[in-house]
Amino acid sequence: GQSLEQPSEVTAVEGAIVQINCTYQTSGFYGLSWYQQHDGGAPTFLSYNALDGLEETGRFSSFLSRSDSYGYLLLQELQMKDSASYFCAVRQAGTALIFGKGTTLSVSS
Amino acid sequence: DTGVSQDPRHKITKRGQNVTFRCDPISEHNRLYWYRQTLGQGPEFLTYFQNEAQLEKSRLLSDRFSAERPKGSFSTLEIQRTEQGDSAMYLCASSVPGQGGEQYFGPGTRLTVT
Repeated sequence: GQSLEQPSEVTAVEGAIVQINCTYQTSGFYGLSWYQQHDGGAPTFLSYNALDGLEETGRFSSFLSRSDSYGYLLLQELQMKDSASYFCAVRQAGTALIFGKGTTLSVSS
Repeated sequence: DTGVSQDPRHKITKRGQNVTFRCDPISEHNRLYWYRQTLGQGPEFLTYFQNEAQLEKSRLLSDRFSAERPKGSFSTLEIQRTEQGDSAMYLCASSVPGQGGEQYFGPGTRLTVT
């Protein structure tokens, strides 16, 4: 079977750092993507890791360990606007993305 | 606004009716994807096209669902004999070749089957 596991909810305060973990078991793996989705909005692309290691894009960083079937999204200097759902997604052979159920991040002041 | 547009944004239909949705991807993207999302879940892959060729379909896609991309530009998704379980947000996304992990989503069409 195929599964992606990520926490259902995370809470944090403005200015803090939060890490959202994702573990996966899939048949075929090309890379791990992260998407952000605000209520009522469409998923928006944040990052993609095909190789092991850390990718940094502004306040967001994403990490992948292929040997551990594990990745995480790190959000720094949290802002209220970061309150959203965050999805990890595995890219399989072809280009289909298999999404996790998402992590709801709530940022408070 | 990612540049991917979908029409209509909302559709209410009665069970048993047919519905058709349209997606216009980013013009230079030759890959186009359809997903379905229900409340509290991540998007679920349905099918994808490279240019006009439909290269992959999810096993979850019943024969009531059909998608086309006749000229390799816009795409349509048709659902025949709709059922209440088809109520969901239908999302379209596009990407450039070699960057399938980086997909750009449209605003979605919310389907409600009564």
